[in-house]
Amino acid sequence: KAGVTQTPRYLIKTRGQQVTLSCSPISGHRSVSWYQQTPGQGLQFLFEYFSETQRNKGNFPGRFSGRQFSNSRSEMNVSTLELGDSALYLCASSIAGTDYNEQFFGPGTRLTVL
Amino acid sequence: AQSVTQLDSQVPVFEEAPVELRCNYSSSVSVYLFWYVQYPNQGLQLLLKYLSGSTLVKGINGFEAEFNKSQTSFHLRKPSVHISDTAEYFCAVSDGYNQGGKLIFGQGTELSVKP
Repeated sequence: KAGVTQTPRYLIKTRGQQVTLSCSPISGHRSVSWYQQTPGQGLQFLFEYFSETQRNKGNFPGRFSGRQFSNSRSEMNVSTLELGDSALYLCASSIAGTDYNEQFFGPGTRLTVL
Repeated sequence: AQSVTQLDSQVPVFEEAPVELRCNYSSSVSVYLFWYVQYPNQGLQLLLKYLSGSTLVKGINGFEAEFNKSQTSFHLRKPSVHISDTAEYFCAVSDGYNQGGKLIFGQGTELSVKP
């Protein structure tokens, strides 16, 4: 079975631009969660999608948004990029999106904002 | 709100020595606990998880952890480490109900195994 894939792996943007990151979950997984990882703040939960609906949301501004498609693939979008948005963005998929289902993480997309 | 504290940001250890990575969490009615490992330029891999039952949990790569409810701890241990165990380790918690796939992570512990 193929693992969680994220595209692109690396991205460089400038302040004020917007960016879209993509996550393809493991086949059969219906839940996709997104996390931001930075040296200062560590791993922080952004949001979770289950069956095309946002089920949980972390404490991030509205510039961060996401969606999930009927094939469970998910995208996250960050508008009006700021320098502090530079981070590794990880997505994780699980079968049913419950906390006791193992979450399988992708390799991440490293976003650099200049 | 749940929180997780990993008490050591860096742990240097010699190969074949035992190691313990410490994790404390804020208490809750019901809690699920996890340890993940992250190798350079990779995502996170689940080492082990505690959901209920036996307080001693065994995971992959020879790691184990003990859930201690009275001390709200979930320390990770390995009796003999290898160079290949060099990585960053994250403790995570979920309080279960209505949280779905949301995990709260500690700040991470960088394990450095020296020959």
